[in-house]
Amino acid sequence: KQEVTQIPAALSVPEGENLVLNCSFTDSAIYNLQWFRQDPGKGLTSLLLIQSSQREQTSGRLNASLDKSSGRSTLYIAASQPGDSATYLCAVHYTGANSKLTFGKGITLSVRP
Amino acid sequence: GAGVSQSPRYKVAKRGQDVALRCDPISGHVSLFWYQQALGQGPEFLTYFQNEAQLDKSGLPSDRFFAERPEGSVSTLKIQRTQQEDSAVYLCASSLAGSGTEAFFGQGTRLTVV
Repeated sequence: KQEVTQIPAALSVPEGENLVLNCSFTDSAIYNLQWFRQDPGKGLTSLLLIQSSQREQTSGRLNASLDKSSGRSTLYIAASQPGDSATYLCAVHYTGANSKLTFGKGITLSVRP
Repeated sequence: GAGVSQSPRYKVAKRGQDVALRCDPISGHVSLFWYQQALGQGPEFLTYFQNEAQLDKSGLPSDRFFAERPEGSVSTLKIQRTQQEDSAVYLCASSLAGSGTEAFFGQGTRLTVV
């Protein structure tokens, strides 16, 4: 079964810390992987999209990596700020999945001032 | 429009009532998706359209759920005879094409069945 796992479910860090959020997936046959941010009561905001041929993508303080062979992606957040507090979701587009995304349950991040 | 727009933002329905949820995708986006998100969970796929064609409805949980996109733009998700387990956030997403393109999500509709 094609699944996406994000562990731990929650994380609390002090402001200024660099942190890594992990995502694992069960099948290396993917088109791409997308990281989203979700604030309470809100929809999903796309952060980074990594195509299967790419190793990483960067946007500002965010860097996402992809290792298909090990079925892993990481989202690196540099110099975390209280405004980064949100739930971060990883989603995989598996090949043969008719364009749908398979999501993890998300990691709820709290950055303490 | 500038982004994916969903309405209503909130809907309270009595058990057994029918509801209709609307999604306006980003202009020009060919692909449209509906997802269901239960509290504390990641979104789960419901159905997928490419233009007006519904190419995948494998995620619809029962025959009470029906989606359409008659002109290849606005989509409606209809739930008949709502039940308490239908309570969730319903998210709509669109993308420019199919495989490999970035998906953009709306704010969602929070459905509460009482």
